Amino acid sequence: DGGITQSPKYLFRKEGQNVTLSCEQNLNHDAMYWYRQDPGQGLRLIYYSQIVNDFQKGDIAEGYSVSREKKESFPLTVTSAQKNPTAFYLCASSIEVSSYNSPLHFGNGTRLTVT
Amino acid sequence: GNSVTQMEGPVTLSEEAFLTINCTYTATGYPSLFWYVQYPGEGLQLLLKATKADDKGSNKGFEATYRKETTSFHLEKGSVQVSDSAVYFCALRVIGGTSYGKLTFGQGTILTVHP
Repeated sequence: DGGITQSPKYLFRKEGQNVTLSCEQNLNHDAMYWYRQDPGQGLRLIYYSQIVNDFQKGDIAEGYSVSREKKESFPLTVTSAQKNPTAFYLCASSIEVSSYNSPLHFGNGTRLTVT
Repeated sequence: GNSVTQMEGPVTLSEEAFLTINCTYTATGYPSLFWYVQYPGEGLQLLLKATKADDKGSNKGFEATYRKETTSFHLEKGSVQVSDSAVYFCALRVIGGTSYGKLTFGQGTILTVHP
C-alpha cells in the first residue's frame, strides 16, 4: 500500500542537540510538506517542497532545515536554534502544490521531546 | 492573509446525537475548503472537501456545504458514534500569491462521543 512513513514515532533529545526527523513517501507525489502541531494551535507550515532539489520556507521556518535530494524523501532537521522544539511533527505530500483538488496525505507523525 | 476559525471545543456528545462544528474563513483568493480528522496518535486524514461555492462535500455520514456568502464550511453529522471521537480540522487552500498551494488550518475541535 502507498503511503507516508515517518520515523521514529517518539524521539527524545537533550537541549542543544540537532535532530533529524525522517519522512518517506511511495505515492510518487511531487510536493512534500512539514507541519508542526501544538495543542490548541492547529497545524503550522514549516517548509514545503514542490520538486526535487527545491524547497521553500513556510510560516515558522526559523530553527529548522530541510533537504529534498530524492523525490520520495524529505527529512527535517530541528536545530539547536529552535527555541521551543517540543511538538508533534507531521509530514505530508500531495500530487502537486498548485492544484485545488490535490489533497494532502499525512504520515502518522513524530512526537519530539527536548529536555 | 488567509485564516480559519473553528468553534471552541471540546465538544462532548452522546451517541446518536446531532453534530455541528462551525468553521468560518477569510481568504485573499478563491479557496478550496477541507475537513480533516485526526484520531489519537495518528496523522490527519482527509474527511471531505469542496472546491467551489454551494458544493457539498460528504463522507462517512459527515457533510459540509461551501457557503461563500457567509464564508463558512460547517461540519455536520446526523447521528454520531463513539468511533467518531477525534480531533477535526477545518482548512483552506488558495492557489496563487504568497499562499502557493499550502493548507491553512483552524485550531482543531476535539470531539468526544459517549455511549
